[in-house]
Amino acid sequence: AQSVTQLGSHVSVSEGALVLLRCNYSSSVPPYLFWYVQYPNQGLQLLLKYTSAATLVKGINGFEAEFKKSETSFHLTKPSAHMSDAAEYFCAVSDNGSGNTGKLIFGQGTTLQVKP
Amino acid sequence: KAGVTQTPRYLIKTRGQQVTLSCSPISGHRSVSWYQQTPGQGLQFLFEYFSETQRNKGNFPGRFSGRQFSNSRSEMNVSTLELGDSALYLCASSFAGGPNVEQFFGPGTRLTVL
Repeated sequence: AQSVTQLGSHVSVSEGALVLLRCNYSSSVPPYLFWYVQYPNQGLQLLLKYTSAATLVKGINGFEAEFKKSETSFHLTKPSAHMSDAAEYFCAVSDNGSGNTGKLIFGQGTTLQVKP
Repeated sequence: KAGVTQTPRYLIKTRGQQVTLSCSPISGHRSVSWYQQTPGQGLQFLFEYFSETQRNKGNFPGRFSGRQFSNSRSEMNVSTLELGDSALYLCASSFAGGPNVEQFFGPGTRLTVL
């Protein structure tokens, strides 16, 4: 069964610093992986997704993630943090074992704090 | 194009009552999924509907049920509410579902059970 582990429930960076949010997955089949962001009192917004086309995936708002099969990782990065990046970030994997459905299995989330 | 809408946004109920939440997907989307978000358990999949049929179901008790109408709007119902049902309930839609497509989430309905 697929699963996702996000290392670090809270990450704090200074404005302008590198953002690195870690995600490791477990999957017996080639995974489809996603990063979502959730701002307070809002739903989830897709940042980027990996669907086996390219290992380096570029998303919105300057975020990107690299799929590393050997490390079973899909870490999210952004070169320079902005105050507006403060939010909760979720890594997710599609449950491929459920057939052609959209069931997502989410990590526990990482809260990103950006200090001025 | 309007996004996913969920009504109501906030709801307060007491134990033992039942509740119905509504989700209107993006126009043209036929797949609707529901998730429960709590501080302790995080985001957990409830069920997915496609063309009025439940296509997948998460590991929740039978008190949680849902349906989808011919216009793709979906409702979920929770009967005999328990304190632990307090959560943010998120609805997501996509054109055809599937494991590699983007799902668009609504703002959620925050349910408080007293």
